[in-house]
Amino acid sequence: DVKVTQSSRYLVKRTGEKVFLECVQDMDHENMFWYRQDPGLGLRLIYFSYDVKMKEKGDIPEGYSVSREKKERFSLILESASTNQTSMYLCASSYKLGQGDDTEAFFGQGTRLTVV
Amino acid sequence: AQKITQTQPGMFVQEKEAVTLDCTYDTSDPSYGLFWYKQPSSGEMIFLIYQGSYDQQNATEGRYSLNFQKARKSANLVISASQLGDSAMYFCAMREASGGKLIFGQGTELSVKP
Repeated sequence: DVKVTQSSRYLVKRTGEKVFLECVQDMDHENMFWYRQDPGLGLRLIYFSYDVKMKEKGDIPEGYSVSREKKERFSLILESASTNQTSMYLCASSYKLGQGDDTEAFFGQGTRLTVV
Repeated sequence: AQKITQTQPGMFVQEKEAVTLDCTYDTSDPSYGLFWYKQPSSGEMIFLIYQGSYDQQNATEGRYSLNFQKARKSANLVISASQLGDSAMYFCAMREASGGKLIFGQGTELSVKP
């Protein structure tokens, strides 16, 4: 079974803290994604990585950074957490389009982050 | 620019009837993929169906079919014979072959009435 695992299901952090959200996949996927999900706004792409050490900004990268030192791991970093970053964060991974038998992205279980 | 739009925030359907969830997209890349996902109240993202931009036939997976109209840039999901378990959020998504980014629409919340 394909697995995408996020390090925490629920997280509560204080304003100004540096927060790390970790995501690990076991399918040797090239692509990894970080999204935040808010009611009425769907899933918004924060950052995307298509290879080790490679990253691209998504639609809402402000206040976030990412790290991909190994193919299986993609970390989302909130440099200085703020209350407007309270949200559900979803990680996903996939093969590049057109490669492999699976074309869809596989998702982790999500991390509900609350910043107080 | 790559864009996905779902204009129906919420939909109701009677059990056993068919329902169509709308999705329109915009891209300048001739090669792309379109996806539909289901997210029940448990929060997991469940992949339903995929359509490639060069696929000649509309994709089907069991009770799910994708009504792909390339010229109109629409990729509507049709669920036949709705079941109570189909009540969930449904997301349309697109990935361009050139860029690789996977972007999602705002979602449609489907409620199936007994």
